[in-house]
Amino acid sequence: AQSVSQHNHHVILSEAASLELGCNYSYGGTVNLFWYVQYPGQHLQLLLKYFSGDPLVKGIKGFEAEFIKSKFSFNLRKPSVQWSDTAEYFCAVGSSGTYKYIFGTGTRLKVLA
Amino acid sequence: GAGVSQSPSNKVTEKGKDVELRCDPISGHTALYWYRQRLGQGLEFLIYFQGNSAPDKSGLPSDRFSAERTGESVSTLTIQRTQQEDSAVYLCASSNVGRGYTFGSGTRLTVV
Repeated sequence: AQSVSQHNHHVILSEAASLELGCNYSYGGTVNLFWYVQYPGQHLQLLLKYFSGDPLVKGIKGFEAEFIKSKFSFNLRKPSVQWSDTAEYFCAVGSSGTYKYIFGTGTRLKVLA
Repeated sequence: GAGVSQSPSNKVTEKGKDVELRCDPISGHTALYWYRQRLGQGLEFLIYFQGNSAPDKSGLPSDRFSAERTGESVSTLTIQRTQQEDSAVYLCASSNVGRGYTFGSGTRLTVV
């Protein structure tokens, strides 16, 4: 069965620090991968997605993620975080060509001003 | 509409009562999903509808939970005889082929 692991449950960073949130999945076939963000008091929004092609995906607000197939990973990165990046981040994976995605348990990021 | 609309945004109900949650997806989106997010936890898949195919109900936690969708329009999630452990944010999302989900703002259900 598919599964998604986000090992960092809570992360606290100072502004301008670099960010990397881990996401590992368990599935042997072709996958679609996503990162969603939920800002305080707001609904989940798509941050970036990978379907195929360049494994380095750039999303909104300076975020990027790299798909490493051999490691079954899709880590989220940002070189310099801002206070406004404080949010909860969810990784999701689904079999290519299907509609159903499995979400990780989320990582709460707090950025200190 | 422009986004996924859910109603009500908040619902407080007494234990044992039935509740009905509504989701209005983005027009033209063929797939619709219900997820549950308990406090401090991740998203728990409940059910998904894809066009006229039989829904995937594999995530429904008990037979107290049911959902319907007519065609590619509105869906309702019904919880019968609510229990305190049903308290959560119920999220609806819709999507189309090859796209990620667009989520609604959720219904916060509190069972007292």
